[in-house]
Amino acid sequence: KAGVTQTPRYLIKTRGQQVTLSCSPISGHRSVSWYQQTPGQGLQFLFEYFSETQRNKGNFPGRFSGRQFSNSRSEMNVSTLELGDSALYLCASSLRQSSYNEQFFGPGTRLTVL
Amino acid sequence: GESVGLHLPTLSVQEGDNSIINCAYSNSASDYFIWYKQESGKGPQFIIDIRSNMDKRQGQRVTVLLNKTVKHLSLQIAATQPGDSAVYFCAEKGSNFGNEKLTFGTGTRLTIIP
Repeated sequence: KAGVTQTPRYLIKTRGQQVTLSCSPISGHRSVSWYQQTPGQGLQFLFEYFSETQRNKGNFPGRFSGRQFSNSRSEMNVSTLELGDSALYLCASSLRQSSYNEQFFGPGTRLTVL
Repeated sequence: GESVGLHLPTLSVQEGDNSIINCAYSNSASDYFIWYKQESGKGPQFIIDIRSNMDKRQGQRVTVLLNKTVKHLSLQIAATQPGDSAVYFCAEKGSNFGNEKLTFGTGTRLTIIP
């Protein structure tokens, strides 16, 4: 079974631009969560999507948004990029069938904002 | 607020020796605790988990210990190998169904000395 895939793997943008990252979950997984990883803040939860609806949200500004499609693929968007948005963006998928579901992470998208 | 932290940011261990990575958490309502391994250029990889009603769980070469009295979690890796070199994160999750959010610790870099 294929793992979680994320595209693109690397991205360079300039301040003020916007960016869209994509995540394809493991087949059959309907929950997709997004995390931001930086050296200073570590791994921080952005949001989770399930059945095309945002179910949980972390403490990030409204510039960070996402969506999920009917095939469970998810995208996240960051508008008006700031230097501090440079990070590794990870997505994780799970079955979401019980109170605890193992989450499987993708390799991440490395975003650099210049 | 809730937080999960690690005592040591770096740990160097001789190949073949056992290693112990520690983690402190502050949310007494956490129900699940998970250890992840992250190698360079990859996303976090699940190692082992433990539920709050347990105090020990063993896997292949790994053991997780949970001490709820002092809110402490540890990961023991037996007979370390060069492939164990990575950053290790502990994470915690609440018991409520429908919230996939994981709260991660800051990470410990484990280096295996040949």
